[in-house]
Amino acid sequence: AQSVAQPEDQVNVAEGNPLTVKCTYSVSGNPYLFWYVQYPNRGLQFLLKYITGDNLVKGSYGFEAEFNKSQTSFHLKKPSALVSDSALYFCAVRAINQAGTALIFGKGTTLSVSS
Amino acid sequence: KAGVTQTPRYLIKTRGQQVTLSCSPISGHRSVSWYQQTPGQGLQFLFEYFSETQRNKGNFPGRFSGRQFSNSRSEMNVSTLELGDSALYLCASSSTNFPTGELFFGEGSRLTVL
Repeated sequence: AQSVAQPEDQVNVAEGNPLTVKCTYSVSGNPYLFWYVQYPNRGLQFLLKYITGDNLVKGSYGFEAEFNKSQTSFHLKKPSALVSDSALYFCAVRAINQAGTALIFGKGTTLSVSS
Repeated sequence: KAGVTQTPRYLIKTRGQQVTLSCSPISGHRSVSWYQQTPGQGLQFLFEYFSETQRNKGNFPGRFSGRQFSNSRSEMNVSTLELGDSALYLCASSSTNFPTGELFFGEGSRLTVL
């Protein structure tokens, strides 16, 4: 079965410091990996995706993610956190079955950036 | 370009009633998916439609149903509502049917069942 794990419910970081939000995955076949962010009472916003190619993927708002096949990880990173980055972050893997595709989400990680 | 539009944004129903939620995808997008978000279960996949055909269905009871129209707009229906159906229902559209395409989500419809 295909799955995503976000081992941390919450990550706290001071503004200006680097941040990492962890994600590990389990899939059969090629992994298609995504990161989304959700602000309170809003829908999900797409940040970035890994399909193939370079292991370091750059996305919106200065975020990037590093794909590591041997560790089956896809951690989200940002060199310098902003208070406005505080939100709920979801990692997702595209699951493929005979009928179609679906995004399988992790439980989410709340990022709190303090000033 | 307008984003994914979901209506209504908020609604309150009582147990046993039914509800219909609507989703208008981004113009040109033919793939629409629905997800349920709850604090306990997180984000769970409900259905996926492409060109009016349901291509995939999550592990939800038959009370949950959906459809897609020729203009790609989609509706989902929940009959005989239960308290546990209280959730944020998110619709997402994609420009491609391939698994490499990202989904674009609407703001959601927050359903409260009393």
